[in-house]
Amino acid sequence: DAGVIQSPRHEVTEMGQEVTLRCKPISGHDYLFWYRQTMMRGLELLIYFNNNVPIDDSGMPEDRFSAKMPNASFSTLKIQPSEPRDSAVYFCASSFRQGRRYFGPGTRLLVL
Amino acid sequence: QKEVEQNSGPLSVPEGAIASLNCTYSDRGSQSFFWYRQYSGKSPELIMSIYSNGDKEDGRFTAQLNKASQYVSLLIRDSQPSDSATYLCAVNWEAAGNKLTFGGGTRVLVKP
Repeated sequence: DAGVIQSPRHEVTEMGQEVTLRCKPISGHDYLFWYRQTMMRGLELLIYFNNNVPIDDSGMPEDRFSAKMPNASFSTLKIQPSEPRDSAVYFCASSFRQGRRYFGPGTRLLVL
Repeated sequence: QKEVEQNSGPLSVPEGAIASLNCTYSDRGSQSFFWYRQYSGKSPELIMSIYSNGDKEDGRFTAQLNKASQYVSLLIRDSQPSDSATYLCAVNWEAAGNKLTFGGGTRVLVKP
């Protein structure tokens, strides 16, 4: 298995632009998680899905952030408009029945 | 008080010595505990899980849990330079919807 796949691996954008991060979970996994990691706040859970349905989005920082999972093999995290404080590494992870989380390689986002 | 707390380090350990990492957590009822290792620029990977009081050994790693003291630790025996990484403690609270909450991580440096 290729593991969790994320794209792009690096993204540099200007403040105010829309950013879309993509994730393909491990085949057969029924949970998908989006995390954000910064030096100041560590690794934070933003939102997670079970069988493509959002279960808990209490970690989403504000309305500028949105996430979708249209099918079992694809999810997006969108930031619109982006701000410099959104600069972070965004990880997608998947698991089977809330078991071991397998993390993707992450997307390094820099908002100028 | 943060829900999961770790000393950020760095913890400097000579090669061949034992590295001892500590983690304290808030008590929220039934919970399980995990240690992740994260190399610089990489994603977290699970190295140990522990669910009941006592010790659990896996190769050179030993996880120790003391629920009465709300304390979980990780020992790395015969430390190698390849163990140099950040170690993240994570707690899963069933009452909080099984959301995995991470500590800030302890950076470990193993010096040859």
